[in-house]
Amino acid sequence: DVKVTQSSRYLVKRTGEKVFLECVQDMDHENMFWYRQDPGLGLRLIYFSYDVKMKEKGDIPEGYSVSREKKERFSLILESASTNQTSMYLCASSLSGRVGGEQFFGPGTRLTVL
Amino acid sequence: QKEVEQNSGPLSVPEGAIASLNCTYSDRVSQSFFWYRQYSGKSPELIMSIYSNGDKEDGRFTAQLNKASQYVSLLIRDSQPSDSATYLCASHNQAGTALIFGKGTTLSVSS
Repeated sequence: DVKVTQSSRYLVKRTGEKVFLECVQDMDHENMFWYRQDPGLGLRLIYFSYDVKMKEKGDIPEGYSVSREKKERFSLILESASTNQTSMYLCASSLSGRVGGEQFFGPGTRLTVL
Repeated sequence: QKEVEQNSGPLSVPEGAIASLNCTYSDRVSQSFFWYRQYSGKSPELIMSIYSNGDKEDGRFTAQLNKASQYVSLLIRDSQPSDSATYLCASHNQAGTALIFGKGTTLSVSS
């Protein structure tokens, strides 16, 4: 079974802090994704990566950056957290290359920015 | 902008009934479609994928794809209270590199 893990289930940070969210998958998947999910807005793609050191912007990349130094690990960075970044953050991975396949999600990190 | 549309619900069905969830998509070239189930406070869980026109069955779940009409549906037979969740429909973006999700339909199964 695919396993995607995220470093924290719940996180509370203060405005202006730098925040790191870590995601690790154990199935040698090429593609990894970061989403945020908010009530009424659904899942929105922040960034994705289809190879080590490769990244592409999703629909809402502003205020975020990512890092993928190893195939199994994809990090989301909030350079200076703001209250409007309070959300559920979901990491996902998929096996296929440029043609996307089934995505498998981690448990999510509920981030609160005070 | 490619879109995936779902009725937000709630869809309420009695235990043992068939629940029918529908999804429409705007991009005619979409090839891959997925249904995810999401319990409150949890992450989405993949339950079905479908790539060809017609029906695909897996246990109590049947996915139906009609590319000419640009809709995909999920039928849940013998619905159980444990099926109460939000169901997300997804298809690929134009580049085929990421999924576009609908906002989900909330299903409530009463015992």
